Amino acid sequence: GENVEQHPSTLSVQEGDSAVIKCTYSDSASNYFPWYKQELGKRPQLIIDIRSNVGEKKDQRIAVTLNKTAKHFSLHITETQPEDSAVYFCAAFDGGLSGSNTGKLIFGQGTTLQVKP
Amino acid sequence: DSGVTQTPKHLITATGQRVTLRCSPRSGDLSVYWYQQSLDQGLQFLIQYYNGEERAKGNILERFSAQQFPDLHSELNLSSLELGDSALYFCASTPGLAGVNEQFFGPGTRLTVL
Repeated sequence: GENVEQHPSTLSVQEGDSAVIKCTYSDSASNYFPWYKQELGKRPQLIIDIRSNVGEKKDQRIAVTLNKTAKHFSLHITETQPEDSAVYFCAAFDGGLSGSNTGKLIFGQGTTLQVKP
Repeated sequence: DSGVTQTPKHLITATGQRVTLRCSPRSGDLSVYWYQQSLDQGLQFLIQYYNGEERAKGNILERFSAQQFPDLHSELNLSSLELGDSALYFCASTPGLAGVNEQFFGPGTRLTVL
């Protein structure tokens, strides 16, 4: 089955700097890679996602890149703000042996991002 | 507010007991997913139901079971509770069967087993 590794586990940056979080996955059949943000005590919320037919996707200050050959994908946050402080989870969709759209999201262990004012 | 509701918000119980967590998906969503989030671990997928039927399974313990009712709400039953079952339990929903779309998470139920 799918396995997702996420690094770093904690990241501290100064306000205005960029932050990069990296994930690797094991199953080359995975085709959907979402990123979720979880603020303290709150629910995870999708911030951006990418599918395997796309190499990069941007949404304002957030971008995600996908390297299918190397089986890794990264989250880039530019011009960080204190409100970006949260735990970020990457995930890869495991459609099982049939590669179907039913299956499960396998999450990374999370990265705690702290943006210092 | 994602539109997904979960009750109760907090649950404190003793080892060996049985509890039921409840989830109501967003209006119109047919799929419900259950996740466990422990302190030192990320989100662990437990099980998915679609329109009343089990469709995908993660590393769900045999002591745990779930079901989805005709009105589409879902319940996660945890029995013979152990200290290690203490965690935040989330449910999420999507409109269709496919998991390759945004999953909308509920606020979670914090379970403490003493």
